Amino acid sequence: DGGITQSPKYLFRKEGQNVTLSCEQNLNHDAMYWYRQDPGQGLRLIYYSQIVNDFQKGDIAEGYSVSREKKESFPLTVTSAQKNPTAFYLCASRTGTLQGISPLHFGNGTRLTVT
Amino acid sequence: AQKITQTQPGMFVQEKEAVTLDCTYDTSDPSYGLFWYKQPSSGEMIFLIYQGSYDQQNATEGRYSLNFQKARKSANLVISASQLGDSAMYFCAMREKGSQGNLIFGKGTKLSVKP
Repeated sequence: DGGITQSPKYLFRKEGQNVTLSCEQNLNHDAMYWYRQDPGQGLRLIYYSQIVNDFQKGDIAEGYSVSREKKESFPLTVTSAQKNPTAFYLCASRTGTLQGISPLHFGNGTRLTVT
Repeated sequence: AQKITQTQPGMFVQEKEAVTLDCTYDTSDPSYGLFWYKQPSSGEMIFLIYQGSYDQQNATEGRYSLNFQKARKSANLVISASQLGDSAMYFCAMREKGSQGNLIFGKGTKLSVKP
């Protein structure tokens, strides 16, 4: 079955450590996105990528980095510079066709806790 | 200013009854799309329904329908014949033309279906 796989589901880190969240899709989608969700909040865009080897900052990119070396993969690194990294992180992808109406397809998320 | 406003933090509905979840949006772009997602307690985001700004008819998908009032800039989700499995967070989101596919999300409404 096609879909988006995020791993791990739960992640615990000590303050000051970088951590990388995995996102893999086998939907053959061109575009991929990372969102952050805090309790009682909607989703906020961190980074997105329309094609391989290219990505753009979203609304809250500070303290995060990404890479897009393969179409299927879009890992997110939460660096020690991110002041409040504890959150629920969602990866999404979208087909490049029917651009206006194509929905985002989401993974199951990674819950990161930094202490 | 918020682009997507969901004014109901929480809603209760009796099983088998219909419920309306409110969403208002703010954009000056004449071309945009509106999406609704469901997020169960497990965390994944499930796409429910889409409405384009130029669509003449309200969108429907099974028990979900979208009450689109363009002049009022509202896109309320109507769930008919509520089921216990409908208990979840519901998010309204908007895509503007030229946004490269990004979605702007509201803060969500938590729906609880009572047996």
